[in-house]
Amino acid sequence: GQNIDQPTEMTATEGAIVQINCTYQTSGFNGLFWYQQHAGEAPTFLSYNVLDGLEEKGRFSSFLSRSKGYSYLLLKELQMKDSASYLCACMDSNYQLIWGAGTKLIIKP
Amino acid sequence: DAMVIQNPRYQVTQFGKPVTLSCSQTLNHNVMYWYQQKSSQAPKLLFHYYDKDFNNEADTPDNFQSRRPNTSFCFLDIRSPGLGDAAMYLCATSNGPRDRSYEQYFGPGTRLTVT
Repeated sequence: GQNIDQPTEMTATEGAIVQINCTYQTSGFNGLFWYQQHAGEAPTFLSYNVLDGLEEKGRFSSFLSRSKGYSYLLLKELQMKDSASYLCACMDSNYQLIWGAGTKLIIKP
Repeated sequence: DAMVIQNPRYQVTQFGKPVTLSCSQTLNHNVMYWYQQKSSQAPKLLFHYYDKDFNNEADTPDNFQSRRPNTSFCFLDIRSPGLGDAAMYLCATSNGPRDRSYEQYFGPGTRLTVT
C-alpha cells in the first residue's frame, strides 16, 4: 500500500534549527513536496524534490533520498511565524499526491 | 494577481440540505482538484479534472458530486450533508505534466459546518 509517515508534533525554540522527517512508500514516484499550513488556512508550497540531494531556499532546505524512501525539511533561524503544520506529500505514478497527516511545529520563545 | 478563489469561506448548512461550494482560478491551469480536510488529518482527494476529463476517487461517497463548466470554474455539490461532512474543503489547481510543473496551488478553503 501507499504510506507517508511523519511525526505528529515537534517543539523547537525561536532562533534554533529543526528537522522534520518524512518516510514514504508509494506505487511509483514522481517527486516529493513539502507544504506549510497555518491553522485554518490552505497549504502553501515550500519545496519539490525529484532528484536525490539537498535543495536550499532561504531559511528552508529539503532533502531527498529515493533509495531510502526518505526526506527531511530543515528550518533554520526559526521564527514564531514558522509555527504551523508541515505536510509531506509524494507524487505517485499517476501524478497524484499522497499526503502525510502533517507535523505540527510549535515554536517557543 | 493570478490566484485560486473559493466562495464562500465559511458555509453553514443543515443536516440533509444540499450545498454547493465554488472554486475559480485565474491561473489557466488544466487540472483542478477538490480535497476534504478534517482537523489534524491529511487532505483527502475527492475528485480531480484533467481538462474536462473527470476522475473520481474510488472511496469518494456518492453524496459528493462535481462540475467543471469551463477551465476557470469548478463546483463541489454535497447532495445531503451529514454531520461527518463537516470539514475544510480545499480547491487546488496545477498545470500537471503539461510543462512538468506539478506544484498544486490552493485556494483559501471553505470551512463547512453542518448543524
